[in-house]
Amino acid sequence: AQKVTQAQTEISVVEKEDVTLDCVYETRDTTYYLFWYKQPPSGELVFLIRRNSFDEQNEISGRYSWNFQKSTSSFNFTITASQVVDSAVYFCALTPHNDMRFGAGTRLTVKP
Amino acid sequence: DGGITQSPKYLFRKEGQNVTLSCEQNLNHDAMYWYRQDPGQGLRLIYYSQIVNDFQKGDIAEGYSVSREKKESFPLTVTSAQKNPTAFYLCASSSVGRVEEKLFFGSGTQLSVL
Repeated sequence: AQKVTQAQTEISVVEKEDVTLDCVYETRDTTYYLFWYKQPPSGELVFLIRRNSFDEQNEISGRYSWNFQKSTSSFNFTITASQVVDSAVYFCALTPHNDMRFGAGTRLTVKP
Repeated sequence: DGGITQSPKYLFRKEGQNVTLSCEQNLNHDAMYWYRQDPGQGLRLIYYSQIVNDFQKGDIAEGYSVSREKKESFPLTVTSAQKNPTAFYLCASSSVGRVEEKLFFGSGTQLSVL
């Protein structure tokens, strides 16, 4: 079965706090891709990052960083020094086949 | 600017009525997708198309129909057979439909039942 679990339904932090969004996935395929998308209040999902199953190197992009660990089937997303503009719903997704499997999403609220 | 346009932003359906959601893209992408988003459930795939005049069912295709007569257009019809149509519908596209490609999304249509 292909499945993505985002156990944190909602997270609320105060501006400048660091926050980590968890993502755990299940797949029997050896080749797959993992993604993170951001859904702001406007509704459209915006691509943040893609990782393939053979590349476990962590990545940092500004205040965003991602930790991919195949041993625990996790692909966690950390926002450092959060800002109010980071408030959104964040989705983790998996593509072992042609269709993309999404987690239920984590709603992040950053308070000033 | 290139992108995906969904219309209308809000749509209301009466009992027994079919309604059609529009999705147009000017990204010259081959593949297009329709997702349904319910609160707390993430996105579920309804239909996808990788080429004109061809489309495949996703996980929740029952009660929906699509057409792909033009590369840039992928309309979704919610039929009267869909008994629980209230949801947020998102259209997406990708360049050629390979698994490693990121998706580009429209801003969605909120469908409600009167």
